[in-house]
Amino acid sequence: EAGVAQSPRYKIIEKRQSVAFWCNPISGHATLYWYQQILGQGPKLLIQFQNNGVVDDSQLPKDRFSAERLKGVDSTLKIQPAKLEDSAVYLCASSSSGRPTDTQYFGPGTRLTVL
Amino acid sequence: GDSVTQMEGPVTLSEEAFLTINCTYTATGYPSLFWYVQYPGEGLQLLLKATKADDKGSNKGFEATYRKETTSFHLEKGSVQVSDSAVYFCALMNTGNQFYFGTGTSLTVIP
Repeated sequence: EAGVAQSPRYKIIEKRQSVAFWCNPISGHATLYWYQQILGQGPKLLIQFQNNGVVDDSQLPKDRFSAERLKGVDSTLKIQPAKLEDSAVYLCASSSSGRPTDTQYFGPGTRLTVL
Repeated sequence: GDSVTQMEGPVTLSEEAFLTINCTYTATGYPSLFWYVQYPGEGLQLLLKATKADDKGSNKGFEATYRKETTSFHLEKGSVQVSDSAVYFCALMNTGNQFYFGTGTSLTVIP
């Protein structure tokens, strides 16, 4: 079974530029999560999708971050414009239905550096 | 708000030593509790979980017991190996299915 795929793996941009990250979850997984992990900290949930609907985006900085999962499969997270403090690893995870008994599977992450 | 607090690292142990990594949580009701591990150069992966009070999660010789009275989920292993060197994250899923991670504890096991 293929795991969670993310691209790109690394991205370096200047502040005020835009950037987009892509995630393809495990086939058949209804729930998809985007996390931000700043160096030395634990992952922070940005947004959670159930199929193509948003379940929770309370910690997403909506003035600059956006995410979509139009067909309930793959997802895109965008930052526009980027700030220095957005430098982090962006993790995508998926689970079959989002219940506590379901395991979240994480992708390798995209490391973003904002200069 | 809901949160997870885990012991500061880094932790350095000799092989075959006993390991405890403390984790306490703040949440209303009965959250589900998890330990995730990140080995060097790899992604996060679930190590063990407990979904109700007094449950014990176990995997690869690691154990953690969900203690509601002390709001704790401490990770233990009786005899660590060099291959256990990694960063360990405690996490909770609250009753609204929102996920919160601790800051992580780095473990290095020396031969």
